[in-house]
Amino acid sequence: DAGVTQSPTHLIKTRGQHVTLRCSPISGHKSVSWYQQVLGQGPQFIFQYYEKEERGRGNFPDRFSARQFPNYSSELNVNALLLGDSALYLCASSRGSGGRTDTQYFGPGTRLTVL
Amino acid sequence: DAKTTQPPSMDCAEGRAANLPCNHSTISGNEYVYWYRQIHSQGPQYIIHGLKNNETNEMASLIITEDRKSSTLILPHATLRDTAVYYCIVRVSGTSGSRLTFGEGTQLTVNP
Repeated sequence: DAGVTQSPTHLIKTRGQHVTLRCSPISGHKSVSWYQQVLGQGPQFIFQYYEKEERGRGNFPDRFSARQFPNYSSELNVNALLLGDSALYLCASSRGSGGRTDTQYFGPGTRLTVL
Repeated sequence: DAKTTQPPSMDCAEGRAANLPCNHSTISGNEYVYWYRQIHSQGPQYIIHGLKNNETNEMASLIITEDRKSSTLILPHATLRDTAVYYCIVRVSGTSGSRLTFGEGTQLTVNP
């Protein structure tokens, strides 16, 4: 079975632009989470979606938004890009709504560079 | 969120066991300990998780102390490909979702 896939792999944008990142979960998984990883730090939680509804949000500004589609794929949108948004954006999928043993599996990430 | 403390770096000789410690003294009774690793610029890879009993899978073993305040991830025969950052995470779940809170992790370097 295919793992979590993300597109694009790399992306270069300029300040003020917006960006859309995409994620396809593992088949059968209904939950998708997004994380931001700045160079030298561990990933930071941005959003979790389950059955198209937001189930959790991290400490990120409103410039960050996401949605989940009926096929459980997801998009992360970032508006008015800042230099500090340069990071590896990770998507993780899991089966359910977040029980204590609901393991998250990560995709390879999208490397966003803001110039 | 229960916080975890890990040494910033460790070295291990190839073929020897790598023992990675983690302190989670504020863990709640129903929270699980998860371990992930991240090889340079790739997505984190799930390794193993446990509640209070020792766990073993094809990748590693997880030893959790009886008071659950600390744990050790054991890679029985480390190889060069095990060089990575290893994250110990206490799983938070509830009505607000099930986020993983990553710390700084331990950079494990396996030397030939």
